[in-house]
Amino acid sequence: EAEVAQSPRYKITEKSQAVAFWCDPISGHATLYWYRQILGQGPELLVQFQDESVVDDSQLPKDRFSAERLKGVDSTLKIQPAELGDSAMYLCASSLGQQSYNEQFFGPGTRLTVL
Amino acid sequence: SQQGEEDPQALSIQEGENATMNCSYKTSINNLQWYRQNSGRGLVHLILIRSNEREKHSGRLRVTLDTSKKSSSLLITASRAADTASYFCATDGNTGFQKLVFGTGTRLLVSP
Repeated sequence: EAEVAQSPRYKITEKSQAVAFWCDPISGHATLYWYRQILGQGPELLVQFQDESVVDDSQLPKDRFSAERLKGVDSTLKIQPAELGDSAMYLCASSLGQQSYNEQFFGPGTRLTVL
Repeated sequence: SQQGEEDPQALSIQEGENATMNCSYKTSINNLQWYRQNSGRGLVHLILIRSNEREKHSGRLRVTLDTSKKSSSLLITASRAADTASYFCATDGNTGFQKLVFGTGTRLLVSP
């Protein structure tokens, strides 16, 4: 069964360092999402791609976060510099299309701890 | 920002019992979805209910939607230990597009 792949699964870093997360969506899925989930809360959308284009990054802290999906397939989310408050689970998801009736498939996430 | 709030925040039941969790949201919607998240893992889609539907079933799951009250409920019948997880509702904010806004979640513990 096709799955969304993410790496690394866990990342520990010190504040002010740079970190990067990678996501490989299900083959054929045009829409890719990055979410941040703080412990005890629901996921919050950071950025949404349709193919290689960003369609929503309104919640992305652009002074320190960047995301790209250069060839419209896999994607990288970067934080530079990391802050203590960035400690969270970072989830990647993909779907066939942007319409809200499309099921989103989530990866296992990257748990980030910033010391 | 969280669109929905689940109630209760935590629920503890015995195997075989039914579990009901509720979701309230703030804006009009095209559809509402429920997701399950096992400890330390990603989310799994459970069921989608459209705004013109009032009730939907999938196996042991029953979802209701009351758009006049901006609320939904998820009923899990004959619960099993494997149902132990956090359950989230997610809405699309009537945009028709996939910017899902998740609620705060209900943590369900099913004891053998």
